[in-house]
This record gives sequence, structure tokens and C-alpha cells, in this order.
Amino acid sequence: GAVVSQHPSWVICKSGTSVKIECRSLDFQATTMFWYRQFPKQSLMLMATSNEGSKATYEQGVEKDKFLINHASLTLSTLTVTSAHPEDSSFYICSATRPLSNQPQHFGDGTRLSIL
Amino acid sequence: GQQVMQIPQYQHVQEGEDFTTYCNSSTTLSNIQWYKQRPGGHPVFLIQLVKSGEVKKQKRLTFQFGEAKKNSSLHITATQTTDVGTYFCAGVTPSNTGKLIFGQGTTLQVKP
Repeated sequence: GAVVSQHPSWVICKSGTSVKIECRSLDFQATTMFWYRQFPKQSLMLMATSNEGSKATYEQGVEKDKFLINHASLTLSTLTVTSAHPEDSSFYICSATRPLSNQPQHFGDGTRLSIL
Repeated sequence: GQQVMQIPQYQHVQEGEDFTTYCNSSTTLSNIQWYKQRPGGHPVFLIQLVKSGEVKKQKRLTFQFGEAKKNSSLHITATQTTDVGTYFCAGVTPSNTGKLIFGQGTTLQVKP
């Protein structure tokens, strides 16, 4: 069964709205979670690394004030797209990895975000 | 920056034919992972290779990790329609604890 749950799976909203996406690890404590963005027919682009109890580490070119990440517990990380605009429309996927080294990443089902 | 190149971008095969996708990293990797993403779905972990020269098999899938730990391949023997999807390699460098660098992916189409 799924080890990472992502919610919601699909969001359609008006421009200017802030959207929160949740990522939960279901059967293990994830000290680190990752947030990706994927455009159609393209690869996954890492946006940020979410660390429990500390600030997220953002990749170059990703606006931290635009994409707010909170990792308040060992099983939950949230990504908030603030004041979303049509260009923010994309497929957002989170992943979590077990604490041991060299562990694979388990991906959530993804959130398809459409901004009108 | 660190890059993982993957080719080909697309591959159309007749059912029963073999398929191979290749990955090449600009830097030495500590391990490489392979994922499959079906259309509309999320990436699903297939396998991880850690040792230099490692070869692993999963039924019709054969995964290889190069001796220099900079390249890898996935070979599917006698493709089936269920193999359709995009296959991604993703490398982890010694300095990027846990962070995956994804290749561009190879999208496989299988004609019945």
C-alpha cells in the first residue's frame, strides 16, 4: 500500500488564491521530505528539501516566499503556493525517505494544480 | 551543476522487442535509482544500485551500474504493453545526502 499520502490530488482555483498541499508519510517518520514540480512530458524538478523542525532548503531559482514549506512534524510536510497565478499551474509531487542512508524515495500521488 | 543525462527521450517498440534506456552522470554517484511513471501517475521506485559494476534483474528488467559509477542502463527484454510509461534514472551524489538528480526520462510506447 501507499507509504506517502498527498492531498489534495487536484485543485482548480482562481488567480490570487493561496493553495496548501499536504504530504504525509504513513508508516515511518520522515525527517526529510522533498517537493518536486513536473511540467507535462518533462522530468521532475526538485523545488526544495523539507527538514523537520528547521527551514526548508530551496533549489536555485525557486522563490521561497512564493512556495512556503512547513515540516512541523515527522510525518507531515506542507507546501503552500501563495497568491497563485496561471504560470504556477503544474503537477506538484512530494516524496519522503526513511531515515537510514541510501533509502529510496517514496512518492505521493501528486497534486495537479490549475490556476484560472 | 550536477547533471544526469538520459537517452533516448522517446522509444516506440513493437510488443516483444527489447528496449534500453541509458543514463550518464557528469559526476561520480554514490548510488543510482530507477523509477517508472505511468501516464497520469507518480514515480514508482523500481530499484537502487550502489556498487560499482552492479547488475540486478527483476524478471524481464536488467539494471546495470557502470564501473566508474557514472552511468547506468535499464534493459527490458521482450516488452509488453504493461511496460508502457516513462522510466527515470535518478542519481545521488556523495555530497547531496538523499537528494535525487533526475534524468530527463525515457518514454516507452509499446505497440501491440
